[in-house]
Amino acid sequence: DVKVTQSSRYLVKRTGEKVFLECVQDMDHENMFWYRQDPGLGLRLIYFSYDVKMKEKGDIPEGYSVSREKKERFSLILESASTNQTSMYLCASTHRGRDYEQYFGPGTRLTVT
Amino acid sequence: SQQGEEDPQALSIQEGENATMNCSYKTSINNLQWYRQNSGRGLVHLILIRSNEREKHSGRLRVTLDTSKKSSSLLITASRAADTASYFCATGQTQGGSEKLVFGKGTKLTVNP
Repeated sequence: DVKVTQSSRYLVKRTGEKVFLECVQDMDHENMFWYRQDPGLGLRLIYFSYDVKMKEKGDIPEGYSVSREKKERFSLILESASTNQTSMYLCASTHRGRDYEQYFGPGTRLTVT
Repeated sequence: SQQGEEDPQALSIQEGENATMNCSYKTSINNLQWYRQNSGRGLVHLILIRSNEREKHSGRLRVTLDTSKKSSSLLITASRAADTASYFCATGQTQGGSEKLVFGKGTKLTVNP
């Protein structure tokens, strides 16, 4: 059974803290993605990666960075968390190329106080 | 990039009825995909239709794509209470030599027993 796992289901951090969200997939997928989901706004792409050490900005990269040191792991980093980064964060992975479905993790609900 | 727009935002029907959700988009696409999300969970892929296809079926799901109108519809026949969820359309678009998905804001479907 294919799997995308995320390090935490719920996370509470303070403003200004550095936050790491981890995502691991076991499907040998080349492409990995980070989204945030907010009520009424749907899913918005933050960053994606199509290979180890490669990254592409999505639609809302400001305030975030990413790291992909190994093929199976993609990390989202909030350098200095702010309250407007309180959100549900979803990780996904898929094969390189076009016309492939994405497989999603269960999500991390991050609250920044 | 432009997000897809689902219509309606919310839909409430009785068990056994059909549910139709629509999606419009603005750019050229490789494919259009539909995903389902149960409350507070990750997304699950339902069906993918390529840009050169007009209609596709999978079980009780029927998807149509009209690239001239830049629109798609998802029909769920003989709905069940278990179909209660949010449904998202996503357009596959090329960026940086890879493919990303651009999601709409979703339709919240409630199927009443």
